[in-house]
Amino acid sequence: QVQLQESGPRLVKPSQTLSLTCTVSGDSVSSGGYYWTWIRQDPGKGLEWIGYIYYTGRTFYNPSLKSRVTISVDTSENQFSLKLNSVTAADTAVYYCGRAGLVTTAVDCWGQGTLVTVSS
Amino acid sequence: EIVLTQSPGTLSLSPGERATLSCWASQSVSSRSLAWYQQKPRQAPRLLIYGVSSRATGIPDRFSGGGSGTDFTLTISRLEPEDFAVYYCQQYGNSPLTFGGGTKVEIK
Repeated sequence: QVQLQESGPRLVKPSQTLSLTCTVSGDSVSSGGYYWTWIRQDPGKGLEWIGYIYYTGRTFYNPSLKSRVTISVDTSENQFSLKLNSVTAADTAVYYCGRAGLVTTAVDCWGQGTLVTVSS
Repeated sequence: EIVLTQSPGTLSLSPGERATLSCWASQSVSSRSLAWYQQKPRQAPRLLIYGVSSRATGIPDRFSGGGSGTDFTLTISRLEPEDFAVYYCQQYGNSPLTFGGGTKVEIK
């Protein structure tokens, strides 16, 4: 059974960098069969796709966040990570990591999500 | 960016009734790249339908998807108590991937 688990600081100060890691169990990020993705959910704005990464390191980002986002993968730890810099209160959201197919990039497996609050 | 509009915002129905949820896209969704998710309070979304009409693993056959181009529907043939939740459509054929605003199916 595939499981994904987000981890990282839950409180980030404005202008700083939000950093989250997703640990995958029951599958390998380097299997080559999936993209690994980050999605966030703000109660006011709904679900927003942040981006995804392939095990080779190739990334695809939402243009609205591209200038501030970095997604990376660590195959040795079976993890992938999100960094979002220069955060503001508008970045407060529940952040989910997930697994998406290569052809149909619907997200078939989700982490439980972690609420990250941006506040001084 | 493809904007997805879902209606109605809230659907009030009784168990056993049929639910029909709509999702309209601001432009044609390429390659049948449309999915539906179910989300319950304090839980992550769960994939129900991908490729417009294919059920994800373990999804009961009372859930069905249809449509093409810019108009899509999710139908729940007979509502079970566990089906009362929020439903989102998503298109993944064009970047950025986008989600609809959701339809809440509540108990009448």
